[in-house]
Amino acid sequence: QSALTQPASVSGPPGELITISCTGISSDIGDYNYVSWYQQHPGKAPKLIIYDVSNRPSGVSNRFSGSKSGNTAYLTISGLQAEDEADYYCSSYAIKTTLAVFGGGTKLTVL
Amino acid sequence: QVQLQESGPGLVQPSETLSLTCTVSGGSISSYYWSWIRQPPGRGLEWIGYIYNSVSTNFNPSLKSRVTISVDTSKNQFSLKLTSVTAADTAVYYCAMAGHGQFTEFDPWGQGTLVTVSS
Repeated sequence: QSALTQPASVSGPPGELITISCTGISSDIGDYNYVSWYQQHPGKAPKLIIYDVSNRPSGVSNRFSGSKSGNTAYLTISGLQAEDEADYYCSSYAIKTTLAVFGGGTKLTVL
Repeated sequence: QVQLQESGPGLVQPSETLSLTCTVSGGSISSYYWSWIRQPPGRGLEWIGYIYNSVSTNFNPSLKSRVTISVDTSKNQFSLKLTSVTAADTAVYYCAMAGHGQFTEFDPWGQGTLVTVSS
């Protein structure tokens, strides 16, 4: 069982906006702004798309955005494209448990 | 830009030691946090541990008793050793750099290498 809770799957048509949630506890997401999001296509390594809750690395599309409220972080993808179909993982610093924790992953399907 | 490449045996016998190396190009291994992360087939990601400044290490408590991470600065490589492996350690193993300051922000990653534990 993963330390961070994500929905198993989300879906939407091209052009839509979707949001993926990532719920932790006060000693990880709640107390620290060290939430990251990763995109993983089948057979590929994960790719960082959001760090420090809402920052995008250079080269990542501005269609990806991140936010946080309390113990829950959110990844929002606007203007869904076929290439966005992938697994998405959140992670956070977690001082009281494993130090670095991941969510179980969310499979995004573009209809 | 920094690139990472994992290498090591793809098959390990139960109860033996899993050994992997990550070769870093395009940057110095003497800086930054360098982590190992694994992903069992069809499952999610698990952080194993990191090494920082070539000597400081920290590990996932669930694996701490079996894990060693070390650096060879002359080769710009860091390595993972996981002892007493079982089938539960079968996974794709990734090495990663923390390129944005906090050690939990993994970027970039190596391509990953599948290690199967089986007799």
